[in-house]
Amino acid sequence: AQSVTQPDIHITVSEGASLELRCNYSYGATPYLFWYVQSPGQGLQLLLKYFSGDTLVQGIKGFEAEFKRSQSSFNLRKPSVHWSDAAEYFCAVGVREYGNKLVFGAGTILRVKS
Amino acid sequence: DGGITQSPKYLFRKEGQNVTLSCEQNLNHDAMYWYRQDPGQGLRLIYYSQIVNDFQKGDIAEGYSVSREKKESFPLTVTSAQKNPTAFYLCASSMGQGAREQYFGPGTRLTVT
Repeated sequence: AQSVTQPDIHITVSEGASLELRCNYSYGATPYLFWYVQSPGQGLQLLLKYFSGDTLVQGIKGFEAEFKRSQSSFNLRKPSVHWSDAAEYFCAVGVREYGNKLVFGAGTILRVKS
Repeated sequence: DGGITQSPKYLFRKEGQNVTLSCEQNLNHDAMYWYRQDPGQGLRLIYYSQIVNDFQKGDIAEGYSVSREKKESFPLTVTSAQKNPTAFYLCASSMGQGAREQYFGPGTRLTVT
C-alpha cells in the first residue's frame, strides 16, 4: 500500500538558517510527489511538485525539493528561513489508480525563532 | 477570482444529527475530493468524484455520503453513523483525468457534542 513518512513531527530553526524537511514514500510505480503548506486553520497551498524529469524541483516562496529514487525520498529545502515560513508542511504522493488521490504524511510543524 | 469555497468555516452539531458541508468551485475542474484532517494524522481521503453523477469511496467513507449533481458542487454529509465526526474537513479539486495536483479550499471545522 502507498504511504508517506515524515519522521519529524516538529522542527525549530532560527530565522535565516537553512531548512530541510524529510519525506519518505512507499509506492510501486514512478511517484507523483507534492509538498503542501498549511497555516493554522487554513487550507493547503501547493509549494511544489515532481512528476518526472529533473530530480531537483523549484517551488514557490524559495523552496526546492530533491527526488531520490534510490532512497525513496523527496526532501524539502530552503536556504534561508523567514519567520513567515512557520506553518505545517505536508508531503504527499499521488496514487494514479484511485483517481489521483493524495496520500499524505502526518505533517511537520515548523517553528521559526528570531 | 477562481477558487474553492467551503461553508461554513465553523459548524457545531449535536450528536445524532446529520450535517452537510458545502464545497463549490469555479475553476471548471472535473475532479473533486473530500479529505478529513485530524491532529497528527495528516489528511485522509473520504470520497472523490472524477465526473458529474459519479463518485467513489476513499479510505474512510463509512458514516459519510456525497452527491455530485453539478460540476461545481460536491457536498459532503456527515451522518449520525460516523463515530468520531469532530474534525477539520477539506475539499479539493483538480482538472480531471490525468491531472495530478489538487487545489484545496479553506476547510470547515466541524464540532459534534
